[in-house]
Amino acid sequence: AQSVSQHNHHVILSEAASLELGCNYSYGGTVNLFWYVQYPGQHLQLLLKYFSGDPLVKGIKGFEAEFIKSKFSFNLRKPSVQWSDTAEYFCAVFDNTDKLIFGTGTRLQVFP
Amino acid sequence: DSGVTQTPKHLITATGQRVTLRCSPRSGDLSVYWYQQSLDQGLQFLIHYYNGEERAKGNILERFSAQQFPDLHSELNLSSLELGDSALYFCASSGFSQPTDTQYFGPGTRLTVL
Repeated sequence: AQSVSQHNHHVILSEAASLELGCNYSYGGTVNLFWYVQYPGQHLQLLLKYFSGDPLVKGIKGFEAEFIKSKFSFNLRKPSVQWSDTAEYFCAVFDNTDKLIFGTGTRLQVFP
Repeated sequence: DSGVTQTPKHLITATGQRVTLRCSPRSGDLSVYWYQQSLDQGLQFLIHYYNGEERAKGNILERFSAQQFPDLHSELNLSSLELGDSALYFCASSGFSQPTDTQYFGPGTRLTVL
């Protein structure tokens, strides 16, 4: 069965630091990849998604992610984080089984 | 605000009881998805309905059932509740039938089973 791994469970950064959150999936075929974010007290919302084409995907709020097929990875990056980026981040994969499989999430805390 | 509403916001009940969680999708969205978020399991897909019909099932227990009504709202019924069912239950909606469509999540219902 498809699985999604987010190895960083909790990340603590200072403002202006660079961010990279890891996401690895297990399925070897064609995949669609997503990053969702959940700000404190708010609903989950889509940050960015990859279906095909340019493996470097740009999302909202300055986030980007790179799909590396050979590494089964879809890491999320931001060059300079802000306090307002404090949230939980979820990677998700769709592999044609009609299900969106989420990782366990990474909690990001950004301190001013 | 995603446009997806869920009621109630919080629910506290006892083991063995039955509860119903309600979800109203965004206006015009035909798909409703249900997810369970717990500390140990993360965000788990439960079930997907499209225009009243079940499209996909995930790790949904037999004690749980769902339906989508003609007005497109959906209900998730949880019965014979156990302590381990305590979790945040989200619904999400999208315009079409594919889970790859952007899903818009509701605020969730926090269920506590005592």
